[in-house]
Amino acid sequence: ELKVEQNPLFLSMQEGKNYTIYCNYSTTSDRLYWYRQDPGKSLESLFVLLSNGAVKQEGRLMASLDTKARLSTLHITAAVHDLSATYFCAVDKETSGSRLTFGEGTQLTVNP
Amino acid sequence: DADVTQTPRNRITKTGKRIMLECSQTKGHDRMYWYRQDPGLGLRLIYYSFDVKDINKGEISDGYSVSRQAQAKFSLSLESAIPNQTALYFCASSRDSLDTQYFGPGTRLTVL
Repeated sequence: ELKVEQNPLFLSMQEGKNYTIYCNYSTTSDRLYWYRQDPGKSLESLFVLLSNGAVKQEGRLMASLDTKARLSTLHITAAVHDLSATYFCAVDKETSGSRLTFGEGTQLTVNP
Repeated sequence: DADVTQTPRNRITKTGKRIMLECSQTKGHDRMYWYRQDPGLGLRLIYYSFDVKDINKGEISDGYSVSRQAQAKFSLSLESAIPNQTALYFCASSRDSLDTQYFGPGTRLTVL
């Protein structure tokens, strides 16, 4: 059974600081996705990582994938209040694709 | 207009009632999914469909059934609702095995 674990689950940080969210998973996969969810809203796709060593960046967020370590990171640079949300990683364990297992989510609060 | 829509957005029902949640997408995607979200558990896959004739159980399909009426429509039914099915339900769609999933706005279901 595939397990996906995120840490931390809760993160409170100050504006301007840097931090990293970690996503570990238990079985081999080379497809990992990051999503953002604002309170009371749906999930929004942030990054799609499809190979070992993949790195994607968008604004203050950068995601990477190490399939050998079964680890993905979401790095936040110089956080701003607008980044406050819950962040989920999801791993696709099927070669046919599309069967995602989600982590529990990391609730990020950026304080002024 | 939203690409993935869900109706109803909120529903309160009683134990033992049959209820149907509907999902439509205008993205022309073949693949569609139903998830439920519970606090602290992330999203869990209920059913998924790769095309109109291909429907598959996810990790928590017991107590649920689905119908893929057309490429654009995928409905989730609770034949006899029970209180522990109280949750936030999301529908999603994707193009292929490597594509991210696009989520609907969610249906908040309460079973009394």
